[in-house]
Amino acid sequence: NAGVMQNPRHLVRRRGQEARLRCSPMKGHSHVYWYRQLPEEGLKFMVYLQKENIIDESGMPKERFSAEFPKEGPSILRIQQVVRGDSAAYFCASSPTGRGLLVEQFFGPGTRLTVL
Amino acid sequence: AQSVTQLDSHVSVSEGTPVLLRCNYSSSYSPSLFWYVQHPNKGLQLLLKYTSAATLVKGINGFEAEFKKSETSFHLTKPSAHMSDAAEYFCVVSDPSGNTGKLIFGQGTTLQVKP
Repeated sequence: NAGVMQNPRHLVRRRGQEARLRCSPMKGHSHVYWYRQLPEEGLKFMVYLQKENIIDESGMPKERFSAEFPKEGPSILRIQQVVRGDSAAYFCASSPTGRGLLVEQFFGPGTRLTVL
Repeated sequence: AQSVTQLDSHVSVSEGTPVLLRCNYSSSYSPSLFWYVQHPNKGLQLLLKYTSAATLVKGINGFEAEFKKSETSFHLTKPSAHMSDAAEYFCVVSDPSGNTGKLIFGQGTTLQVKP
């Protein structure tokens, strides 16, 4: 059973370009979380999605950032017109269910975004 | 609001000596607490989680943590450090508001293990 897959592992973009980060949850998992880790900091929650639904996007910046989890295919975190401050590691996690506080979230290896 | 504070940003121990990584939490609810480990350029792995069934929680690789409500602490310990334990450790609380299960991370503690 493959774990959470993220690609690309490393992404370099110039200011103003778009970044697309992909996350394939573990088999059987229909709940996806995105977190951002800035240098020397812990992870910060961004968004929680179920298939075709955004459940909680309270951690998403109001502009330039969007996320989706279509019925088929991976979850996508999209950052438009990237700026240097977007440089960070972006982690995806999945769980079989979102309800229940003790449900473990399984993390992917992350995508390290560098904005030049 | 939920929050966690990891009291040490960096801990250095010698191989074979005990490990103590400190964590205090703040929660308006009965908290769910976790410790995750992150090895360089890797994803995060769950070490252990507090289920409220027992205050002393045993995890993988010989780690354990004790939930102390009176002290609002959830410190991580290991009797004897191994070189492979060198990594970043995160104390995490689950935010029950809205029942989304989103996780709130501490700042992290870097564990260095010297030979």
